[in-house]
Amino acid sequence: DTAVSQTPKYLVTQMGNDKSIKCEQNLGHDTMYWYKQDSKKFLKIMFSYNNKELIINETVPNRFSPKSPDKAHLNLHINSLELGDSAVYFCASSQTGWEAFFGQGTRLTVV
Amino acid sequence: DAKTTQPTSMDCAEGRAANLPCNHSTISGNEYVYWYRQIHSQGPQYIIHGLKNNETNEMASLIITEDRKSSTLILPHATLRDTAVYYCIVSPSYNQGGKLIFGQGTELSVKP
Repeated sequence: DTAVSQTPKYLVTQMGNDKSIKCEQNLGHDTMYWYKQDSKKFLKIMFSYNNKELIINETVPNRFSPKSPDKAHLNLHINSLELGDSAVYFCASSQTGWEAFFGQGTRLTVV
Repeated sequence: DAKTTQPTSMDCAEGRAANLPCNHSTISGNEYVYWYRQIHSQGPQYIIHGLKNNETNEMASLIITEDRKSSTLILPHATLRDTAVYYCIVSPSYNQGGKLIFGQGTELSVKP
């Protein structure tokens, strides 16, 4: 069983569209994250949720909105997509904060 | 958060030990040293972490200097599958407001 799974793995969409990326973890962890990896390969934290509560909200445009329906899920909604949003988005989870498990990533391409 | 400095790239012969250095001269007393790696096209993978003492697990060993200003990740017998970008991160534990902030990392190439 995959510990942290993201869907879809690839997402190609046009500018201006609204899209969602789903993330689920079956590890029973309390904390989930979203990271963005741009074309220069830098990994930046976007959001962190602990028990469905937003803990970390880095400087991310309001077009990005995380939603946590329950402890095992953290979805990422992106409105009015822009070319600069093209990146690989990683979901992760952890219990203690030391050992985070990452998903395989969602490659988003905005055309 | 304290910053880390790592070499941009390193090579290692297959079967030999890979020693990856990391400088973190401004590390605070409550900050841990974490190591992650990212194999091409995959999500980052946790390797090991430590506070003051040297640590070892099935993947690697972590050597932290006594003054805690630098550390070395050791892969004892590198294989081709260890080719990846290795990230050294310093941060307080999560319950102290820590978060994983990834830097540039070291691109390790293990060669046959």
